Amino acid sequence: AQSVTQLDSQVPVFEEAPVELRCNYSSSVSVYLFWYVQYPNQGLQLLLKYLSGSTLVKGINGFEAEFNKSQTSFHLRKPSVHISDTAEYFCAVTPGGAGGTSYGKLTFGQGTILTVHP
Amino acid sequence: DVKVTQSSRYLVKRTGEKVFLECVQDMDHENMFWYRQDPGLGLRLIYFSYDVKMKEKGDIPEGYSVSREKKERFSLILESASTNQTSMYLCASRAIGGGGNTIYFGEGSWLTVV
Repeated sequence: AQSVTQLDSQVPVFEEAPVELRCNYSSSVSVYLFWYVQYPNQGLQLLLKYLSGSTLVKGINGFEAEFNKSQTSFHLRKPSVHISDTAEYFCAVTPGGAGGTSYGKLTFGQGTILTVHP
Repeated sequence: DVKVTQSSRYLVKRTGEKVFLECVQDMDHENMFWYRQDPGLGLRLIYFSYDVKMKEKGDIPEGYSVSREKKERFSLILESASTNQTSMYLCASRAIGGGGNTIYFGEGSWLTVV
């Protein structure tokens, strides 16, 4: 079984400031890791994913995340945020191995609401 | 673009009613999922289906059932709706193998049970 902890439920930040949203996970098997964003009254949109290879993953809208296996973390960062980045962000994991039936059974964190102030 | 469509965005139902939430995907994906989203709890898996007529319970299946008679359609059924099932429900799908590493979500269905 897997579990995901997003360490901050809310993160307020000023426009053009850097931001880091923290995510830790636990799992007895190897996992794939994801960050999703949810804008108000909408579904989830994939920001980025880590499957294998380079531990620094770049995603859409200028976001990036770093996989740290020893610390079991997958923190999301952006060097300069915009008002339009205001949304809820979810970290998620799934057992590794895209061909298996377990893949896609995402375990989500509780969500972090990012609010960007002018 | 892959499209996962949840036909009902906002529903209000009475306690005890039978409720159907429909989800359709247009990319011939084998796997489909139903999640429930609640504030402070993130998303929790209710049921998933890895192919037509095949289903498996997720983490919170109690009070729900599902139907997958056709590959493109995955229905979530609340046999007798209760107020604690007031929530946002999200459907998702993905393909197996190849480029099947991406899971696509619908826009969500807001259900209020009164």
